[in-house]
Amino acid sequence: DAKTTQPPSMDCAEGRAANLPCNHSTISGNEYVYWYRQIHSQGPQYIIHGLKNNETNEMASLIITEDRKSSTLILPHATLRDTAVYYCIVRINAGNMLTFGGGTRLMVKP
Amino acid sequence: AAGVIQSPRHLIKEKRETATLKCYPIPRHDTVYWYQQGPGQDPQFLISFYEKMQSDKGSIPDRFSAQQFSDYHSELNMSSLELGDSALYFCASSSWGWGQVNTEAFFGQGTRLTVV
Repeated sequence: DAKTTQPPSMDCAEGRAANLPCNHSTISGNEYVYWYRQIHSQGPQYIIHGLKNNETNEMASLIITEDRKSSTLILPHATLRDTAVYYCIVRINAGNMLTFGGGTRLMVKP
Repeated sequence: AAGVIQSPRHLIKEKRETATLKCYPIPRHDTVYWYQQGPGQDPQFLISFYEKMQSDKGSIPDRFSAQQFSDYHSELNMSSLELGDSALYFCASSSWGWGQVNTEAFFGQGTRLTVV
């Protein structure tokens, strides 16, 4: 699976949009971009995934650049409960394991 | 909606003892993954099973073994426990078969193992 690069930490004001970037310049054509988050000591929580089109669900939006070398996870109205470590993972969508590493620690502040 | 169930939630063992962790996947999920997360670390993949067969193997010590049963639940067996085995152990499940596109994995709340 391709390697990803994320900033180690970010702050966001409560109620504002949180934009979390991820670089995956070596992504191959059949690899998906997945986002998970982990709130302190809880099990990682699935957020969203996509291949090349932008995706939106009730939790977040995923914007993937046209060359697919980077993506941005957008939490439209961050709350204090969104404080967590966010992981961007590139993975072939065929059931193989998720590799966690180097996520972004998002701190949402009042 | 049903989630991944792990038991026990907390476990305290002494060095050199044996521990068994259990994982009950989401109904109709055929794939199970095991992860270990030490203090301050990212989750590390240990092993996975698809349709009761091992599908991937990560950094799982030889002292550990796992299997997936006919009802798709899985057990992680850990022997000769060491202090360094103290960690959170997560299980996740997904649906891999039948050309599923939506194969995100869902995680349980974990088992906290403390070896003393």
